Amino acid sequence: EAQVTQNPRYLITVTGKKLTVTCSQNMNHEYMSWYRQDPGLGLRQIYYSMNVEVTDKGDVPEGYKVSRKEKRNFPLILESPSPNQTSLYFCASSPLRARVNEETQYFGPGTRLLVL
Amino acid sequence: GENVEQHPSTLSVQEGDSAVIKCTYSDSASNYFPWYKQELGKRPQLIIDIRSNVGEKKDQRIAVTLNKTAKHFSLHITETQPEDSAVYFCAASSMGKLIFGQGTELSVKP
Repeated sequence: EAQVTQNPRYLITVTGKKLTVTCSQNMNHEYMSWYRQDPGLGLRQIYYSMNVEVTDKGDVPEGYKVSRKEKRNFPLILESPSPNQTSLYFCASSPLRARVNEETQYFGPGTRLLVL
Repeated sequence: GENVEQHPSTLSVQEGDSAVIKCTYSDSASNYFPWYKQELGKRPQLIIDIRSNVGEKKDQRIAVTLNKTAKHFSLHITETQPEDSAVYFCAASSMGKLIFGQGTELSVKP
C-alpha cells in the first residue's frame, strides 16, 4: 500500500531533550516536506527536500533540522525542544514537481508533540 | 514574506446550499494552488488543485477558480452535504515552498 508513515504518533518530552521524528514513504517520491499545524495558524512549512541531499528552509525552520540521506526517509530533528514547539507535525511527499498534474502532496498521519 | 490569506475562518450552510471559500496570495511567482480537506483528527487530503495557466477547474460538486492578475483563487462547493463538514485549507506553491491559508471550518447542517 502506497503510504507515508511517521513515528512516533504521539510524544511527550521535556525541554532540551533531543528528539527525532521519522518520516518514510514507499512511493519513490523525490519531494518531501515537514509541516507543523497550530490552531488558527493553519499548516506552516518547516523544511522541504527536492531530492536526496537537497534540503531547503520553509516558513518556520528555526529550531529544527532535517536530513535526506536516502530517498524514502526524511527525519525531523529537534536538537533542543522548547514548549513553543508543541504542535501537530505532518510529513508529506510528492512526485517530481516538473511533471504536470503530479504535485499532489500525500500527508502522513501526523505526530502530536508536547514539550513540557 | 510570502503570505496566503483565507476567508472566512468559519462558514455554516444548510445542506444543499453552495459554499465559497476565498484566498489571496502575495507571491506572484506562485504557480500551483491546491485545496485540502481535513476532517477532525485526520490528515489533510487533496480535493482539487489548479495551475497558474488555467482559470477554472471542476470536479463534480467542487470547482476552483483562479485570477492571477488579482492574485486570488476560490473554492466552490455546490449541493453541500453533511459529509462536506471539515476544515478546508488553500495553499500557494512556488519552487517547492508551499504556503497554506489559515483554514476555513465548514459546517453543513442537515
